[in-house]
Amino acid sequence: EDQVTQSPEALRLQEGESSSLNCSYTVSGLRGLFWYRQDPGKGPEFLFTLYSAGEEKEKERLKATLTKKESFLHITAPKPEDSATYLCAVQGSGNQFYFGTGTSLTVIP
Amino acid sequence: KAGVTQTPRYLIKTRGQQVTLSCSPISGHRSVSWYQQTPGQGLQFLFEYFSETQRNKGNFPGRFSGRQFSNSRSEMNVSTLELGDSALYLCASRRDIFYEQYFGPGTRLTVT
Repeated sequence: EDQVTQSPEALRLQEGESSSLNCSYTVSGLRGLFWYRQDPGKGPEFLFTLYSAGEEKEKERLKATLTKKESFLHITAPKPEDSATYLCAVQGSGNQFYFGTGTSLTVIP
Repeated sequence: KAGVTQTPRYLIKTRGQQVTLSCSPISGHRSVSWYQQTPGQGLQFLFEYFSETQRNKGNFPGRFSGRQFSNSRSEMNVSTLELGDSALYLCASRRDIFYEQYFGPGTRLTVT
């Protein structure tokens, strides 16, 4: 069965303290791995799509990487406005999206 | 380009009632998916429609149903509401199966 596990569940960082979020997955025929950001009470906001192992995408302080078993979302020198829940999703050969339960990030000024 | 819109944004219903939620996708997007989000379970897939046909369905009881119209707008219906149906219901659209999904703001349903 397709499955996505995210760790840690929650992460508190000081402003400027870089770190990484992990998304490990098992899926039949990976079509894509997606990262989203969700603020409280809002819908998830699309960040990145990764399609194959070795691929990397960057946007401002965020960088997403992909291996055959997991993906990392690296946050460099985070700011308080980066505080949110970060969700990972995979799309397998069945074309359905499977979401992890997310990592709640808090960046303290 | 306008994003995904959902109506209503908030809804309070009584156990046993039924409810219909509406979703308008981004212009040009032919696929609409519905998700239930709760604090304990995260995002749970309900179903996906593409060109008015249900393409995928999650593990939810038959009380949850949906449909898609020729203009790609979609509705989701929940009959015989239960307290456990209280959740944020999210709609997402995408251009086609190989593209990312874009989410609406959600409908917060409270069942009392």
